[in-house]
Amino acid sequence: KQEVTQIPAALSVPEGENLVLNCSFTDSAIYNLQWFRQDPGKGLTSLLLIQSSQREQTSGRLNASLDKSSGRSTLYIAASQPGDSATYLCAVSDRGSNSGYALNFGKGTSLLVTP
Amino acid sequence: NAGVMQNPRHLVRRRGQEARLRCSPMKGHSHVYWYRQLPEEGLKFMVYLQKENIIDESGMPKERFSAEFPKEGPSILRIQQVVRGDSAAYFCASAQGRSYEQYFGPGTRLTVT
Repeated sequence: KQEVTQIPAALSVPEGENLVLNCSFTDSAIYNLQWFRQDPGKGLTSLLLIQSSQREQTSGRLNASLDKSSGRSTLYIAASQPGDSATYLCAVSDRGSNSGYALNFGKGTSLLVTP
Repeated sequence: NAGVMQNPRHLVRRRGQEARLRCSPMKGHSHVYWYRQLPEEGLKFMVYLQKENIIDESGMPKERFSAEFPKEGPSILRIQQVVRGDSAAYFCASAQGRSYEQYFGPGTRLTVT
């Protein structure tokens, strides 16, 4: 059974800092990995999707890497801003599972960027 | 192109009542997933449906929960005889196909009093 872990659970940084969020998963036979952002009381916004054959994806100030063999992904946020404050969720989709590629989520990293 | 829509956004039910949660997928999407987010817990997969078919319900509680995705209309997640432990945020996601990217709705927050 796939287990997804995110470290740290919470993070507080001053505005302008670069930061790294970590995600690990136990079964390397994944189909893809997604990073989401969730604001309090809101839905999920997809940030980056990395297919299993890819090593990284970039969007603006965000860069996500994937090391399937070691079961790890990192989300790098450059020049953080107060508007980046949210919970960041990592989710992996297992290849070939009966659940039609349902996502297995970590519990998230709660990020606070202070002005 | 409208995104995934869920209604109601907030739902309050007393213990023993029924809750019906609706999910309208994005245009052109025929695959729907339901997830539940309990307080202080991560999102957990519940059920995966295609039009008129339940493909995988391995994450659904065995009793009181059911889901459907009819040929016409939204997908429905139905919870009978709700209990306090059912209080959670319920999210649906839609996709073009089995292995395609999933797009999430805003969720329905169910409170059982």
